[in-house]
Amino acid sequence: DAKTTQPNSMESNEEEPVHLPCNHSTISGTDYIHWYRQLPSQGPEYVIHGLTSNVNNRMASLAIAEDRKSSTLILHRATLRDAAVYYCILRDNNNDMRFGAGTRLTVKP
Amino acid sequence: DVKVTQSSRYLVKRTGEKVFLECVQDMDHENMFWYRQDPGLGLRLIYFSYDVKMKEKGDIPEGYSVSREKKERFSLILESASTNQTSMYLCASSLIRLNSYGYTFGSGTRLTVV
Repeated sequence: DAKTTQPNSMESNEEEPVHLPCNHSTISGTDYIHWYRQLPSQGPEYVIHGLTSNVNNRMASLAIAEDRKSSTLILHRATLRDAAVYYCILRDNNNDMRFGAGTRLTVKP
Repeated sequence: DVKVTQSSRYLVKRTGEKVFLECVQDMDHENMFWYRQDPGLGLRLIYFSYDVKMKEKGDIPEGYSVSREKKERFSLILESASTNQTSMYLCASSLIRLNSYGYTFGSGTRLTVV
């Protein structure tokens, strides 16, 4: 499985943008980049995914580097409810979702 | 709103008991999964199923079995519960097995084996 590297933790101030990085230097051409987050005492929830182009949805934006060896999840305006563990996952068609340690995001009021 | 429902939020069982964890999804998804989550170890895949009556081992299947008699229901069975199976158990489903599709997770069952 291609692996991802994320910082263990990050801090942000409320109402400011947050950029969560993910390195995946061994990504293959068919791997999709998925992001999930896990709020306290909840199961993970889908945030966004992409292959090559940047993606936007109501929750976040995903910026994918041109060489696809890294990506950044962007929360445009962090709220206290965005405090969670964020997971960056690579998926190819032959493997199921494997989660790493993720990045614990703390949002300060 | 699509849903994955796990039958119990909290469960306490005795060592040696047979334990059933139930998961139901209402999205007509083909694929269902069971994970456990432990501090410092993250989420680990126990078993998964791509179709009714089909099952495949994940990364840590020892001590567990599964049953999928109907498309919407996927059960995790602890044949003889042990204290090292105390954990948060998470069920997930996915429409099909393609890397462009995501998973929907349940809220989890926190199992304590005493």
